[in-house]
Amino acid sequence: GESVGLHLPTLSVQEGDNSIINCAYSNSASDYFIWYKQESGKGPQFIIDIRSNMDKRQGQRVTVLLNKTVKHLSLQIAATQPGDSAVYFCAENRRAQKLVFGQGTRLTINP
Amino acid sequence: DSGVTQTPKHLITATGQRVTLRCSPRSGDLSVYWYQQSLDQGLQFLIQYYNGEERAKGNILERFSAQQFPDLHSELNLSSLELGDSALYFCASSVGLGAQTNEKLFFGSGTQLSVL
Repeated sequence: GESVGLHLPTLSVQEGDNSIINCAYSNSASDYFIWYKQESGKGPQFIIDIRSNMDKRQGQRVTVLLNKTVKHLSLQIAATQPGDSAVYFCAENRRAQKLVFGQGTRLTINP
Repeated sequence: DSGVTQTPKHLITATGQRVTLRCSPRSGDLSVYWYQQSLDQGLQFLIQYYNGEERAKGNILERFSAQQFPDLHSELNLSSLELGDSALYFCASSVGLGAQTNEKLFFGSGTQLSVL
């Protein structure tokens, strides 16, 4: 069944600190993973993606790590800002199947 | 702005009624996807169309149907509405086949459906 999950439903961090959002998946055939950010009242917005032949990919202030051995994905946000407050979804792209989303983690930034 | 346009933004209707949600994909995108997001729920895939043809089906109820027109815009029809159908409905688009080719999806801002 669909089993992309998140370890924590909520995460609170201090402004300026680094945030780490985790995601577990169970389908070893998955070959592409995406992180989306959803702000209140908006649709999911693409943040960063990673293919299964990589274990790390960096963007602007964000890094995605993929550990295929334990089927774990994480999103690291450096120097978290108030504008980073949102729900973050990991999504698993199984070849020839639909994109499967996790439940989401709500990131709250404390001033 | 993702380039995906959804109308209307808000829709309030009564049980038993029928509504139509509309989506215009990004320019050049051939695939359109419909997702449902309920309170405290993740995004549930409903259906995908590619260049006018149904490509993949998810947890879409028989009371719901969709189509993609020659100009590539799509409509999601929801009929015999129930209270539990109240949710955010998102449309997304991609250049090609999406999951089959490891493509990212671009989402619209959604239609908030309230069934009273």
